[in-house]
Amino acid sequence: TQLLEQSPQFLSIQEGENLTVYCNSSSVFSSLQWYRQEPGEGPVLLVTVVTGGEVKKLKRLTFQFGDARKDSSLHITAAQTGDTGLYLCACLYGNKLVFGAGTILRVKS
Amino acid sequence: DVKVTQSSRYLVKRTGEKVFLECVQDMDHENMFWYRQDPGLGLRLIYFSYDVKMKEKGDIPEGYSVSREKKERFSLILESASTNQTSMYLCASSLVFSGYNEQFFGPGTRLTVL
Repeated sequence: TQLLEQSPQFLSIQEGENLTVYCNSSSVFSSLQWYRQEPGEGPVLLVTVVTGGEVKKLKRLTFQFGDARKDSSLHITAAQTGDTGLYLCACLYGNKLVFGAGTILRVKS
Repeated sequence: DVKVTQSSRYLVKRTGEKVFLECVQDMDHENMFWYRQDPGLGLRLIYFSYDVKMKEKGDIPEGYSVSREKKERFSLILESASTNQTSMYLCASSLVFSGYNEQFFGPGTRLTVL
């Protein structure tokens, strides 16, 4: 069982559609990070959320940390082909950064 | 810009060979990490290092060793490569080790063991 469960595993949508991906756990975290990994590259940090209920916006991306700090969501408005990639959530667990399995997003033109 | 470079993008080796994967970062980061990435499993930590000559096991260290002789360089060694070590290997570095601090990743090495 993974510490962080991400859903859906795979999402294929048309350009212009909205979408939400989720990162859930039964554990409480002091912070949670979202990374995006484009094909052929390493992951790149998008955001870190630290406060329960926190909402952060990065252009068309909206990140939310659950009130209980056990879950997080990433909402993309009007998806573009450049949003295609693997979205990973990560948290500090003990002395290690633990990653979820990720959501593969494919945006078709 | 922080840059993490890995010695090879693609590597093909035979079972039983000794394999060296090299990683270099140019931002004077204290911490360096080696992960492997497999479909459906996400990134799994193999080893990490928080200082020169220091290393700690991650979640899946079996079959691997590491070396950190200089601050900017962290090497992953497969002592005797096996087919189940076919994977994408990612190196990362960070200034401070915390859940608030960004890890910077290299582009990855896709290793195939035949």
